[in-house]
Amino acid sequence: AQKVTQAQTEISVVEKEDVTLDCVYETRDTTYYLFWYKQPPSGELVFLIRRNSFDEQNEISGRYSWNFQKSTSSFNFTITASQVVDSAVYFCALTTEGGKGVEKLTFGTGTRLTIIP
Amino acid sequence: NAGVMQNPRHLVRRRGQEARLRCSPMKGHSHVYWYRQLPEEGLKFMVYLQKENIIDESGMPKERFSAEFPKEGPSILRIQQVVRGDSAAYFCASSPSRGNNNQPQHFGDGTRLSIL
Repeated sequence: AQKVTQAQTEISVVEKEDVTLDCVYETRDTTYYLFWYKQPPSGELVFLIRRNSFDEQNEISGRYSWNFQKSTSSFNFTITASQVVDSAVYFCALTTEGGKGVEKLTFGTGTRLTIIP
Repeated sequence: NAGVMQNPRHLVRRRGQEARLRCSPMKGHSHVYWYRQLPEEGLKFMVYLQKENIIDESGMPKERFSAEFPKEGPSILRIQQVVRGDSAAYFCASSPSRGNNNQPQHFGDGTRLSIL
């Protein structure tokens, strides 16, 4: 069974501050994929990143960066110089290569990020 | 280049009625997944379908819920005799093929179901 834990339920930071959202996962599979999604107040799910278990290289995309550490089973997400538009709920998710080839995602409970102007 | 299309965006039903939620996958995608998001919670997997086949329904409630993905037309998630606890956002995702983890799942905007 897989599990994704996002221990931070809510975070508030002042605009332009950096913020890190934590994600810890559990799986017995050696091959797996980790995702981050953003859910703005309008409700849709916006794909941010997918990372496979064999690639521990950190990734940067503009103000977003991700730190994947297999040793601690963590896949943390950092927003640099936060902006009000970053206010949303952020979900971390996990999928493995199941026996049926089913790529169903296991989601964390999400972190609600509020950027204060 | 349309993404995953879900309709309706909002659906209101009274207790005991039926709810039908539709999902059209992205062009070229033959795999559909349904997820449910209860208020203030994360998404939970419900069912995975290919055209005319249910592959994994391990997350579906045993009663009142069913899903189909016919050869022609959208995938349908059907909830019979709805109850207040069915109020949630229902998301659909699609992917191009089985076992292909080179593509992330693309989600629709969801259907918000409210039960009066």
